[in-house]
Amino acid sequence: DVQLVETGGDLIQPGGSLRLSCAASGFTVNSNYMSWVRQVPGRGLEWVSVIYSGGSTYYADSVKGRFTISRDNSKNTLYLQMNSLRAEDTAVYFCARAPPQVRGGRFDYWGQGTLVTVSS
Amino acid sequence: DIQMTQSLSSLSASVGDRVTITCRASQSISSHLNWYQQTPGKAPKLLIYAASSLQSGVPSRFSGTASGTDFTLTISSLQPEDFATYYCQQSYSIPWTFGQGTEVEIK
Repeated sequence: DVQLVETGGDLIQPGGSLRLSCAASGFTVNSNYMSWVRQVPGRGLEWVSVIYSGGSTYYADSVKGRFTISRDNSKNTLYLQMNSLRAEDTAVYFCARAPPQVRGGRFDYWGQGTLVTVSS
Repeated sequence: DIQMTQSLSSLSASVGDRVTITCRASQSISSHLNWYQQTPGKAPKLLIYAASSLQSGVPSRFSGTASGTDFTLTISSLQPEDFATYYCQQSYSIPWTFGQGTEVEIK
């Protein structure tokens, strides 16, 4: 069965750094498009970043230059390195899988989410 | 960026009702439109992809249609487990964007 398990969420001060992990099972991360999507509690969904099967990466403007998406193929794990965190980055962060295809941004599997709270 | 607009933030319906949720894209996205269902405390669940294709395992009471930049999710007969928030999402171009969500509440 396909499963995604996020870890790493925490309470962090503004300006701090945090790394989220998403361990995948039942499929290989490097054969799919893997994304991070976040949701402020009680609010809507915001796409954050994607890493394509070929390795290309893309980011939402709101996180560009501060966040870095990566993967470890040997661990079948996706990461999100978050630097220079701001209060507005407070959200539940989901990792999600999208099948690799042209304009392939449909998320067919999601993790349970991990909460990041940025506050002093 | 492509803006996705769901005209209703919430609607009230009863079990057995036919429910229609709409979503409009700010520009052409062809059929690259997906629908998700989310219940409180849970991750979103893919219902419909490519505007009208039913995701595996999703009940056939869910369907999707497209007309230009207007998209519709229909639940033919609302069931108790369908009370949730529904989001549309365009996968035509990055940044992939979501509508603000439509909450289906119990009347």
